[in-house]
Amino acid sequence: QSALTQPRSVSGSPGQSVTISCTGTSSDVGGYHYVSWYQQYPGKAPKLMIYDVSKWPSGVPARFSGSKSGNTASLTISGLQAEDEADYYCCSYAGNYTRVFGTGTKVTVL
Amino acid sequence: EVQLLESGGGLVQPGGSLRLSCAASGFPFISYDMNWVRQAPGKGLEWVASITDTGFRTYYADSVKGRFTISRDNSKNTLYLQINSPRAEDTAVYYCARRPAGELLDYWGQGTLVTVSS
Repeated sequence: QSALTQPRSVSGSPGQSVTISCTGTSSDVGGYHYVSWYQQYPGKAPKLMIYDVSKWPSGVPARFSGSKSGNTASLTISGLQAEDEADYYCCSYAGNYTRVFGTGTKVTVL
Repeated sequence: EVQLLESGGGLVQPGGSLRLSCAASGFPFISYDMNWVRQAPGKGLEWVASITDTGFRTYYADSVKGRFTISRDNSKNTLYLQINSPRAEDTAVYYCARRPAGELLDYWGQGTLVTVSS
């Protein structure tokens, strides 16, 4: 149950796009179509942004999008806005009813 | 409105015990699997444990297996996490989270801080 690997930080200017990668193995990310993404502001609870690799929960803007190729999933934020500055975590089903989170990425809006 | 409210956190000595609670409201608690997720200070999220809607099946991260016990009382709409023999590395904010059908955690509580120290 090793944590999925994410870049420590990414940054972009307002209006630009940023992409966060989430790398696992064939036992988690690569083995299932069950990757979710969570946004977390400092001192707050995480919020679900994407599930099943690329689906949106109600209320999440479409400028957040997800994808997966092999053992790596990605979250892309298009049209970056100031309120997108937060920490983002991926999460994957890892078999045997367990799940594993990523190491987390801090998104900075320049 | 879905609400999850954790309680029971605090200072606990290594080797002691503590029970966390998560009071649920605003949805049919008995119909949902539930999870505990923790976050050590300044660190990332770590899945801890999950329990099915009936409470019949439970699952744990290797890091807590044998020391933590997840349970629920559907008559009280409450989820629990019994922490036994805590270690310093168990110091974290503990969140409860709801899992609807599928692999996602759609609602989270605000968390309760557990500090393991002598």
